[in-house]
Amino acid sequence: DTAVSQTPKYLVTQMGNDKSIKCEQNLGHDTMYWYKQDSKKFLKIMFSYNNKELIINETVPNRFSPKSPDKAHLNLHINSLELGDSAVYFCASSQGASGGDEKLFFGSGTQLSVL
Amino acid sequence: AQTVTQSQPEMSVQEAETVTLSCTYDTSESDYYLFWYKQPPSRQMILVIRQEAYKQQNATENRFSVNFQKAAKSFSLKISDSQLGDAAMYFCAYRSTQGGSEKLVFGKGTKLTVNP
Repeated sequence: DTAVSQTPKYLVTQMGNDKSIKCEQNLGHDTMYWYKQDSKKFLKIMFSYNNKELIINETVPNRFSPKSPDKAHLNLHINSLELGDSAVYFCASSQGASGGDEKLFFGSGTQLSVL
Repeated sequence: AQTVTQSQPEMSVQEAETVTLSCTYDTSESDYYLFWYKQPPSRQMILVIRQEAYKQQNATENRFSVNFQKAAKSFSLKISDSQLGDAAMYFCAYRSTQGGSEKLVFGKGTKLTVNP
């Protein structure tokens, strides 16, 4: 079974559309994250949730809204997509949020292309 | 805010040889964690090795080892006996221990090519 699964793997859409990316982890972890990897491969945190509560919210446009219905799921909804949103989005999870050396488990990424 | 710098955008190594990837970071914290992640063409992020800042002993994982110099804020990765499967992007990452700042901060990555 895949530890962190995100769907879809590829998403091609038009500017202005609204889209969602889903993420689920079956590891029993308390903390989940969304990272964005741009065209130059740079990875940056977007959001972090611990047990359904938002704990990290980097400077991300309001068009991006994470939703955590339970601690095993963290979905990312994007409104009014722009060309600059094209990137690979990674979901990840870890056991806790204590800042320890817990390993982050990453999903396989969603490549979003906005045309 | 913490920053992580990887000064080598690309590196290459001959199969079976040894290569060292550089990483420096900036922080005012005394306790933190450092990681190296590998991203092959499959896009999957794979943890290679991790180091606790309060441990002086350098971490090792089979053919992978680090040279952690806390005073110099340097955390290099050495890959011994390089294999074709080691070809990937390698990312150095920093993780704070302070509450609310537990995110991983990544460097910009080093693309490693392994030549047969």
